[in-house]
Amino acid sequence: NAGVTQTPKFQVLKTGQSMTLQCAQDMNHEYMSWYRQDPGMGLRLIHYSVGAGITDQGEVPNGYNVSRSTTEDFPLRLLSAAPSQTSVYFCASRLLSTDTQYFGPGTRLTVL
Amino acid sequence: GEDVEQSLFLSVREGDSSVINCTYTDSSSTYLYWYKQEPGAGLQLLTYIFSNMDMKQDQRLTVLLNKKDKHLSLRIADTQTGDSAIYFCAESLLGGRRALTFGSGTRLQVQP
Repeated sequence: NAGVTQTPKFQVLKTGQSMTLQCAQDMNHEYMSWYRQDPGMGLRLIHYSVGAGITDQGEVPNGYNVSRSTTEDFPLRLLSAAPSQTSVYFCASRLLSTDTQYFGPGTRLTVL
Repeated sequence: GEDVEQSLFLSVREGDSSVINCTYTDSSSTYLYWYKQEPGAGLQLLTYIFSNMDMKQDQRLTVLLNKKDKHLSLRIADTQTGDSAIYFCAESLLGGRRALTFGSGTRLQVQP
């Protein structure tokens, strides 16, 4: 198993550009989520999904969209990037029947 | 509301024990977790404890839970330079999103 994979590892955007952060897992986990990590603030939940076709907002959803067309993939879209979205983004997944989440390696995003 | 707090920094000498502390506010927590993050890497699950337990030991790691004071600690015995990292405490709650709420992380520096 590859576990949870994320691409790209690094990205630099200009204000107003759009992009999609990719996340995939091969563990057949129903639950997938996106967090952002900012210095001194721990991780904050952006969006999550409990299964294909189902998504919901987390703590800091503004400026981000998600979709879940398959169990394996959970992309995070920034429609119009802002400097406040400069952060490290982590994708995580788990089985619905457990609480143990597995994290991807992260995507470091800088918005100029 | 959900709030998890940790001290920001801890420095110890190699071979000593390290104790990293965490407090949480929500008494409906189900599991409490410790994650380790090395520089430039994702989060690695170290250990977890169910909220009806007081203690859990796993090799060099000991987790203590004081439910009355809502205090969680992680003790690392015989700390090594490879233990230098940021350690995050996290809680998951009954029902709802069952997402993780993270503390801001404690940076552990191990001096040779």
